[in-house]
Amino acid sequence: DQQVKQNSPSLSVQEGRISILNCDYTNSMFDYFLWYKKYPAEGPTFLISISSIKDKNEDGRFTVFLNKSAKHLSLHIVPSQPGDSAVYFCAASYGSGSARQLTFGSGTQLTVLP
Amino acid sequence: GAGVSQTPSNKVTEKGKYVELRCDPISGHTALYWYRQSLGQGPEFLIYFQGTGAADDSGLPNDRFFAVRPEGSVSTLKIQRTERGDSAVYLCASSYGGDTQYFGPGTRLTVL
Repeated sequence: DQQVKQNSPSLSVQEGRISILNCDYTNSMFDYFLWYKKYPAEGPTFLISISSIKDKNEDGRFTVFLNKSAKHLSLHIVPSQPGDSAVYFCAASYGSGSARQLTFGSGTQLTVLP
Repeated sequence: GAGVSQTPSNKVTEKGKYVELRCDPISGHTALYWYRQSLGQGPEFLIYFQGTGAADDSGLPNDRFFAVRPEGSVSTLKIQRTERGDSAVYLCASSYGGDTQYFGPGTRLTVL
């Protein structure tokens, strides 16, 4: 039973346009959400996160939106750049302190076309 | 500063053999996590250490898998009697008392 789902395995966007990556979750205990970016042959790189007490967090070109009632979050990248082409993973966690195992979605391959 | 490092980057072994995978966390990070990523999937949690003790090993698939962190820094994931289904990328992550985990590059394990 997948608790974190990324239903779009791939997404293509033109350079300069907005990329929107989506993620749904089923476990209402999740209270912290993260997005990671992964290039081939590298480990996941932390991108941005959001606590369940917020509905938006912004960092430069990256914004994460959280809709708790819909159990849905999204990552917006604007403007998209060719270097953003990578696999993006949504992850969720709950617990206290460091005792927070991450539950990942299956990833979305983003391709930004020049 | 230095990030999480993992060795070896690639490991090819034969079915039934024993393997050890090593993780060096970011200096000062007290929490260390192991994940396994199969092709086309996201990473899956295996085990979590807080200091030297395994605080949560609920993700280990069976008793062929074991991990240690004797001095609260470097960790070793040990797999006995490897099977072809163990082939995957094994990822290590560390964190310092917070919610964000920082990942190493992974070890790609291939069991022939």
